[in-house]
Amino acid sequence: LAKTTQPISMDSYEGQEVNITCSHNNIATNDYITWYQQFPSQGPRFIIQGYKTKVTNEVASLFIPADRKSSTLSLPRVSLSDTAVYYCLVRPPGTYKYIFGTGTRLKVLA
Amino acid sequence: EAQVTQNPRYLITVTGKKLTVTCSQNMNHEYMSWYRQDPGLGLRQIYYSMNVEVTDKGDVPEGYKVSRKEKRNFPLILESPSPNQTSLYFCASSSRQTTYNEQFFGPGTRLTVL
Repeated sequence: LAKTTQPISMDSYEGQEVNITCSHNNIATNDYITWYQQFPSQGPRFIIQGYKTKVTNEVASLFIPADRKSSTLSLPRVSLSDTAVYYCLVRPPGTYKYIFGTGTRLKVLA
Repeated sequence: EAQVTQNPRYLITVTGKKLTVTCSQNMNHEYMSWYRQDPGLGLRQIYYSMNVEVTDKGDVPEGYKVSRKEKRNFPLILESPSPNQTSLYFCASSSRQTTYNEQFFGPGTRLTVL
């Protein structure tokens, strides 16, 4: 059974880089690891996904070690509008159901 | 505009009164799914569907039914709602082309069962 763990909350100041790690055991070897952002009263929104090593897009980077037992979302130079809950999403092997991480509440301070 | 729609957005009902929450997507996505979100428990998958007439259980399917008769629609049925099904529900869809991971979420349905 896939199990994911994230820090419950993090505080940061505007302009800093924030790294949020998700630990996940027993995930499908042939699938991406995905991260979402959620604001209050809204559905989660896709941020980034990766399979291994490092992936970067216009809003974030994702680091995945070779053993794929964890992944780290990196948000460069956060702003107040990045205050949200961040979730990783993984898939256990042999199934197409998905498991969300426990979620990390990020608060960006001025 | 590409979107996932859910109806109703808010619903208050009583124990045992059957209800259906509708979900529709206009992106021709193969994969559709229902999640519930509860404080302290995060987002948990209820059911998912890989395509028309293909559905399977997620992590918390008890008390729910789904159907996928058309590609765009994936209704969630509560035959006999109970107070422990009070929750925020999200429908999502994704394409096989993105290995289903990039899921687009609806705005949510807040259900209260008295």
